[in-house]
Amino acid sequence: DAGVIQSPRHEVTEMGQEVTLRCKPISGHDYLFWYRQTMMRGLELLIYFNNNVPIDDSGMPEDRFSAKMPNASFSTLKIQPSEPRDSAVYFCASSLAGLAEPTGELFFGEGSRLTVL
Amino acid sequence: GENVEQHPSTLSVQEGDSAVIKCTYSDSASNYFPWYKQELGKGPQLIIDIRSNVGEKKDQRIAVTLNKTAKHFSLHITETQPEDSAVYFCAASWKSNYQLIWGAGTKLIIKP
Repeated sequence: DAGVIQSPRHEVTEMGQEVTLRCKPISGHDYLFWYRQTMMRGLELLIYFNNNVPIDDSGMPEDRFSAKMPNASFSTLKIQPSEPRDSAVYFCASSLAGLAEPTGELFFGEGSRLTVL
Repeated sequence: GENVEQHPSTLSVQEGDSAVIKCTYSDSASNYFPWYKQELGKGPQLIIDIRSNVGEKKDQRIAVTLNKTAKHFSLHITETQPEDSAVYFCAASWKSNYQLIWGAGTKLIIKP
């Protein structure tokens, strides 16, 4: 299996522009997570899906952020409009089952590094 | 709110020596405690985990211990090697064990 695939790996944009990050989870995984990593705040869970349905989006910073999972093999995280404070590495992760299960290991992608000027 | 504290933030050890990283958690309902390793430019990767029904788990050179009474758990790496250099994160489950709270990370440096 190719693992979790994220694109783009690097994105540099100007304040006010729309940013779309993409993720392809591991085939057969029922859970998909979007995380943000910064030096100041560490790893933060933004939102997670179970069977393509958003379960908890309480970590989404504000209305400028939105996430979708139209099917089991694709998810997007969109920021519109982007701001300099959104600069971070955004990770997508998938798992076969929930944490409560023995197969709840998170498999992370390599991340999308976003820089908003 | 619930949190996980991780210490130290940076740990430098001589190759071949042991390294210990410690975490404390606040949610007494947590029952799953994974450790992830993050290499430069990569996403975190699970290296070992423990559930609350056991006090210790080993996998070759790495081990994790859990003290539920004191609400702390530790990662032990023996016979450290250069490839052990990375950032290590501890985490604890919360929200009915369907989410993780993450520690701030420990940068482990192995000196040759």
